[in-house]
Amino acid sequence: QKEVEQNSGPLSVPEGAIASLNCTYSDRVSQSFFWYRQYSGKSPELIMSIYSNGDKEDGRFTAQLNKASQYVSLLIRDSQPSDSATYLCAVSGYQGAQKLVFGQGTRLTINP
Amino acid sequence: NAGVTQTPKFRILKIGQSMTLQCTQDMNHNYMYWYRQDPGMGLKLIYYSVGAGITDKGEVPNGYNVSRSTTEDFPLRLELAAPSQTSVYFCASIPGQGIEKLFFGSGTQLSVL
Repeated sequence: QKEVEQNSGPLSVPEGAIASLNCTYSDRVSQSFFWYRQYSGKSPELIMSIYSNGDKEDGRFTAQLNKASQYVSLLIRDSQPSDSATYLCAVSGYQGAQKLVFGQGTRLTINP
Repeated sequence: NAGVTQTPKFRILKIGQSMTLQCTQDMNHNYMYWYRQDPGMGLKLIYYSVGAGITDKGEVPNGYNVSRSTTEDFPLRLELAAPSQTSVYFCASIPGQGIEKLFFGSGTQLSVL
């Protein structure tokens, strides 16, 4: 079983719809959870972080965490073509708090 | 502040050659990391450092070496390049313990032919 697992996609969503990205992790002691966005040929950039169960909203983005199910998700409302990118789920606290383990990423395409 | 600076941006190596990927940060961050990203994949941790003189292995350390003689610099050394090391390499840093936002460099695209 992979440590951090995402559906690699591609995920295609029409403009204005809600994009839903999912991530599962294997280590129950994981403490911190992050979503990074990566445009083609660029470095990842942090868009959301979440540390406790429930929802966290920031503009059009909502992160959801369920530690009992070892599941974290990212919702993007009112999707825009500029949201087309690869979204990386990352988890820390696995094998030490100093390490951040990434999933393989989900490629998202927003269709105008 | 320049942030995290990586050099070179692109490099082509022949099998068996050696090279050093440079990474420097001017934010006085204690923790520094080297990741590799294969096409269509996520980031794999190669090595990390929690301060000058302290380094530790990540998920995929074989074929690489690092050193951390100063807070600012964290070079990654490839001794005998192999085609399997063709990848994009990212250096990153954070201020201290308790990961929040990783500050990434712009990456080095390496091809081994």
